[in-house]
Amino acid sequence: NAGVTQTPKFQVLKTGQSMTLQCAQDMNHNSMYWYRQDPGMGLRLIYYSASEGTTDKGEVPNGYNVSRLNKREFSLRLESAAPSQTSVYFCASSASNEKLFFGSGTQLSVL
Amino acid sequence: EDQVTQSPEALRLQEGESSSLNCSYTVSGLRGLFWYRQDPGKGPEFLFTLYSAGEEKEKERLKATLTKKESFLHITAPKPEDSATYLCAVHPSGYALNFGKGTSLLVTP
Repeated sequence: NAGVTQTPKFQVLKTGQSMTLQCAQDMNHNSMYWYRQDPGMGLRLIYYSASEGTTDKGEVPNGYNVSRLNKREFSLRLESAAPSQTSVYFCASSASNEKLFFGSGTQLSVL
Repeated sequence: EDQVTQSPEALRLQEGESSSLNCSYTVSGLRGLFWYRQDPGKGPEFLFTLYSAGEEKEKERLKATLTKKESFLHITAPKPEDSATYLCAVHPSGYALNFGKGTSLLVTP
């Protein structure tokens, strides 16, 4: 049982480059989320998708876009990476907007 | 504005030395309070959900309690393997959890 799978685990980008973080869950959950975690800031919500076909902004959406490709997959795209986007990114899913199951994270560095 | 504050930021205990972590919150329409454990390099792992004041839940050496303004995570006779960051989160009316900044716990032999 894989749960929530994120790829890649590590990534280094130069300022201005773009990339997509992939997330897939095999628990048949309706809701999926992207959080970022920074030292001293805790987990902050970037975007979420309450159900397939819907996406909404969270607390820190600027500089990001998301796509809910299907019920299983929710991707996060950085169009033009900035050093301020250096962070650890976590994808999560839930059945009922409550108990979240997290992936193992993507450590992103933007130089 | 919904807020979650955890204290202390860091806690160092000797093995067997019991203590408590605090999570205070201000939220309109609480739909649940959650505790997660996070090990270095990993995603948070669910521990407990509490829904109403007075509720308690236990798992091994951990017990979570809830009042109208705060929650405590009591750790009884901790072991080194309990070392982790413990995160508190609230579920206000809406779709996503609001997380506190966490308490980093180190238990030494």
